[in-house]
Amino acid sequence: DSGVTQTPKHLITATGQRVTLRCSPRSGDLSVYWYQQSLDQGLQFLIQYYNGEERAKGNILERFSAQQFPDLHSELNLSSLELGDSALYFCASSVATSGGTTQYFGPGTRLLVL
Amino acid sequence: QKEVEQDPGPLSVPEGAIVSLNCTYSNSAFQYFMWYRQYSRKGPELLMYTYSSGNKEDGRFTAQVDKSSKYISLFIRDSQPSDSATYLCAPKHDYKLSFGAGTTVTVRA
Repeated sequence: DSGVTQTPKHLITATGQRVTLRCSPRSGDLSVYWYQQSLDQGLQFLIQYYNGEERAKGNILERFSAQQFPDLHSELNLSSLELGDSALYFCASSVATSGGTTQYFGPGTRLLVL
Repeated sequence: QKEVEQDPGPLSVPEGAIVSLNCTYSNSAFQYFMWYRQYSRKGPELLMYTYSSGNKEDGRFTAQVDKSSKYISLFIRDSQPSDSATYLCAPKHDYKLSFGAGTTVTVRA
């Protein structure tokens, strides 16, 4: 158990809908990362927050957004969902961002868009 | 061309064999080189990492990095059925991890 929790574990929804994925980082970790894992694209970095502020953006679509709250939990919002958004979404957390800092991954949320 | 190339396998070996996994990368800015292990339906977990070129050993696992040829390797000695998983190389620059596609390994008892 990495100490990172994600809810829900599974999500089934329809095209055009909006969903929210939630992540609680490990105790003491200030940085949260979101990744998308699909069969054809592998594990792709989406976005990073550090202590409530957006720190870096990766391959995140404009239909997706995220935020980190004062208690450091984070939410990833996916809107206008398309079939291709079906994937595993992972949250990771770390105490810092640079060097060999370990990112600890949560168990993921499996999203299926029908 | 992808930033990190990794043969997805799959790789099937008998118990006790040496497993050899490798990646190539294109970004010379990478300084830390991580290896993650991912069991089916689980999140990736960090196995080990090296800084810059060189070797690092941790039990049955050895990681090697050759920055001159942009080549990353992971060796698993005396492989066990519990090593059956997907192994992802993930070079790092600053905050960003760039993952390879992952190699799926099955160790047969």
